[in-house]
Amino acid sequence: LAKTTQPISMDSYEGQEVNITCSHNNIATNDYITWYQQFPSQGPRFIIQGYKTKVTNEVASLFIPADRKSSTLSLPRVSLSDTAVYYCLVVRWAGNMLTFGGGTRLMVKP
Amino acid sequence: EAQVTQNPRYLITVTGKKLTVTCSQNMNHEYMSWYRQDPGLGLRQIYYSMNVEVTDKGDVPEGYKVSRKEKRNFPLILESPSPNQTSLYFCASSRGSPGEPQHFGDGTRLSIL
Repeated sequence: LAKTTQPISMDSYEGQEVNITCSHNNIATNDYITWYQQFPSQGPRFIIQGYKTKVTNEVASLFIPADRKSSTLSLPRVSLSDTAVYYCLVVRWAGNMLTFGGGTRLMVKP
Repeated sequence: EAQVTQNPRYLITVTGKKLTVTCSQNMNHEYMSWYRQDPGLGLRQIYYSMNVEVTDKGDVPEGYKVSRKEKRNFPLILESPSPNQTSLYFCASSRGSPGEPQHFGDGTRLSIL
């Protein structure tokens, strides 16, 4: 599975839009991009998943360019409660395993 | 409420004393998995199961056993725990494959002295 690279940490302020970019240069045709959020001492929580172009749900948007070698998770108007670790994963729909990288630690400040 | 339930949530035990961490899901999910999370190492997969009676090794299976006799349950067994198995453990499930959104339990913090 494609290895992902994302920033170790990011800081933001309440009310701002946050964009976290993930690089996955070796993504394969049948791979999907998935993002999870994890709060301290809790299990990861699924945020969003996409294959190409743009996907939006009530929590976030996911932008995937045509070459699919990167993706950007966009969190609109973050609040303090969005402080968490965000993981970008490349998953194979019919595969067997998930591989979590190091994630991006987002700190939202007042 | 759809959930993955792990027990116990916390356990302190001693080297060599067999222990089992239970995991149960109420969503009729086919796929279940165990992860451990350690500082600086992120989440690593221990074992997974695609369906009843089908289990396979993940990235770090040494020292662990699992079984999947029923669809809803996927216990993690440490036959002879050692201090390097001190960690935060998560069980997860998804409908059909790991590619689908996974639901995680709240975690089990194990300390092996």
